Amino acid sequence: ELKVEQNPLFLSMQEGKNYTIYCNYSTTSDRLYWYRQDPGKSLESLFVLLSNGAVKQEGRLMASLDTKARLSTLHITAAVHDLSATYFCAVDMSYNTDKLIFGTGTRLQVFP
Amino acid sequence: NAGVTQTPKFQVLKTGQSMTLQCAQDMNHEYMSWYRQDPGMGLRLIHYSVGAGITDQGEVPNGYNVSRSTTEDFPLRLLSAAPSQTSVYFCASRPGHSSYEQYFGPGTRLTVT
Repeated sequence: ELKVEQNPLFLSMQEGKNYTIYCNYSTTSDRLYWYRQDPGKSLESLFVLLSNGAVKQEGRLMASLDTKARLSTLHITAAVHDLSATYFCAVDMSYNTDKLIFGTGTRLQVFP
Repeated sequence: NAGVTQTPKFQVLKTGQSMTLQCAQDMNHEYMSWYRQDPGMGLRLIHYSVGAGITDQGEVPNGYNVSRSTTEDFPLRLLSAAPSQTSVYFCASRPGHSSYEQYFGPGTRLTVT
């Protein structure tokens, strides 16, 4: 059974600081997703990582994938308040079927 | 494009009632999925479809039925509502082969009393 674990579950960080969210999964997979969710809102797609060593960046967020270690990271650079949200990773259970298993999420709060 | 739309936005049911949550997309996406999100948790896949006429079960399918008669629509039916089905339901779609970004609808908040 595929399990997806995120840590930390909660993260309170000061503006301007850097931090990393980790996503570990238990079996091999060919796709990993990162999403953002604001309170009471739907999910917004951030990144789709498709291969070992994949790295994608958008603004202050950078995601990477190590399929051998079954680990993805979401790195936050010089955090700003607007990044406050819950971040989820999700892993595809099987090839090209959208059977995604989600992590429990990391609630990020950025304060001045 | 309206993207992925869901109706209703809110619904209260009594135990044992049935209802259908609607999901539609106007982007000609092949793949569509239904998820539920319980408080403080990630999403769990209920059912998904890789094209019209093709559906399959996800992680938590019990108590739910789906069908996909058209590319645009993917309704989720609750057969006999139970309090354990109180949740927020999200529908998602993506184009299909070699295009992996998923687009989520705004969600339906369902309460079963």
